Amino acid sequence: EVQLVESGGGLVQPGGSLRLSCAASRFTFSYYHMGWVRQAPGKGLEWVAVIGPDGSAKYYVDSVKGRFTISRDNAENSLFLQMNSLRAEDTAVYYCERDGGSADYWGQGTLVTVSS
Amino acid sequence: DVVLTQSPLSLPVTLGQPASISCSSSQSLVYSDGSTHLHWFQQRPGQSPRRLIYKVSNWDSGVPDRFSGSGSGTDFTLKISRVEAEDVGVYYCMQGTHWPHTFGQGTKLEI
Repeated sequence: EVQLVESGGGLVQPGGSLRLSCAASRFTFSYYHMGWVRQAPGKGLEWVAVIGPDGSAKYYVDSVKGRFTISRDNAENSLFLQMNSLRAEDTAVYYCERDGGSADYWGQGTLVTVSS
Repeated sequence: DVVLTQSPLSLPVTLGQPASISCSSSQSLVYSDGSTHLHWFQQRPGQSPRRLIYKVSNWDSGVPDRFSGSGSGTDFTLKISRVEAEDVGVYYCMQGTHWPHTFGQGTKLEI
């Protein structure tokens, strides 16, 4: 069965940076779009970013453009989200998902808390 | 951005009874190839979301056939023929036709 395991979350001060990772296994990673979806505490789901199979196509929700960067390493079957200039409203569980537009598999999520 | 409006937002149900959730889109979700990228997800308490139905009406592997999806264009429905205790959670519709992809607000199903 497909596995997606996120890491890298934690507590960070406003204005700080964090890099999330997602280790993928049990499928051909380089064939798929991948993405990040977040969920603020007690709230609904919000798409953050999607990246194409070869990393050339990237899409971001407006609220993170210029601050977050999605990337991938197909040789290492890994997805990343570099988050800079973090704000309190970025506090959420961040999920890694497979397939971009259809999210057929999800990881367990990693919690990012932005607070002083 | 495409807005997906779910109703109801809270759905109290009785075990063994049917349930239905609607999802209405602010734009057509028909993609350029003619397919419709409207999907349904279940999020049980304390768990990650799990996809149940993809492209309007297709079951994901392992999903009980008491779940079904229907609709077209801008109006879609998720139905549960007979609710079981394990169905408790929040249900989301999601569109993957237009970027940014968007989710509905979620419908909380409770027994």
